[in-house]
Amino acid sequence: KQEVTQIPAALSVPEGENLVLNCSFTDSAIYNLQWFRQDPGKGLTSLLLIQSSQREQTSGRLNASLDKSSGRSTLYIAASQPGDSATYLCAEGGGNKLTFGTGTQLKVEL
Amino acid sequence: NAGVTQTPKFQVLKTGQSMTLQCAQDMNHEYMSWYRQDPGMGLRLIHYSVGAGITDQGEVPNGYNVSRSTTEDFPLRLLSAAPSQTSVYFCASSSLGRRNTEAFFGQGTRLTVV
Repeated sequence: KQEVTQIPAALSVPEGENLVLNCSFTDSAIYNLQWFRQDPGKGLTSLLLIQSSQREQTSGRLNASLDKSSGRSTLYIAASQPGDSATYLCAEGGGNKLTFGTGTQLKVEL
Repeated sequence: NAGVTQTPKFQVLKTGQSMTLQCAQDMNHEYMSWYRQDPGMGLRLIHYSVGAGITDQGEVPNGYNVSRSTTEDFPLRLLSAAPSQTSVYFCASSSLGRRNTEAFFGQGTRLTVV
């Protein structure tokens, strides 16, 4: 059974800092690795999806990488802003059968 | 561009009551799923469907029923609500055309069972 872990559970950084969020998974035979953002009391917004054959995906200030051999994915956020404050979730799976990590709550302070 | 729509947004039930959480998507997606989100446990899959007339159980199906009579709708039924079902429920959809497609989520239903 796939297990997904995100450490740390919470992270606080000053505005402008570059940061990395970590996601680990136990089964390297993955379909996709998807990163989501969740604002308090809201639904999940898809940020990036990395297919199993890919190594990374980029969107604006976000870059997600995938290393199946080590069972890790990272989400890199460049030049962080207060508006980036949210919980970031990673999930492994295909279609809608996703296995989620418990998330990293990010706070970007002025 | 409605995407995935869930109703209601909030609900309080008494133990033993039944109710249906509604989910509708307008993207013609084949895949639809229900998850629950509990503090410290992440999202867990309850039931999912790969098309009209086809449903299957996820990780935590007990106490919930689903049916998929149309492509657009995927309601989740609580048969006899229990306090352990207090949670935030999310519906999601994605395209079946290629398995490597992103999932789209609704805004959630916050359910409290007293």
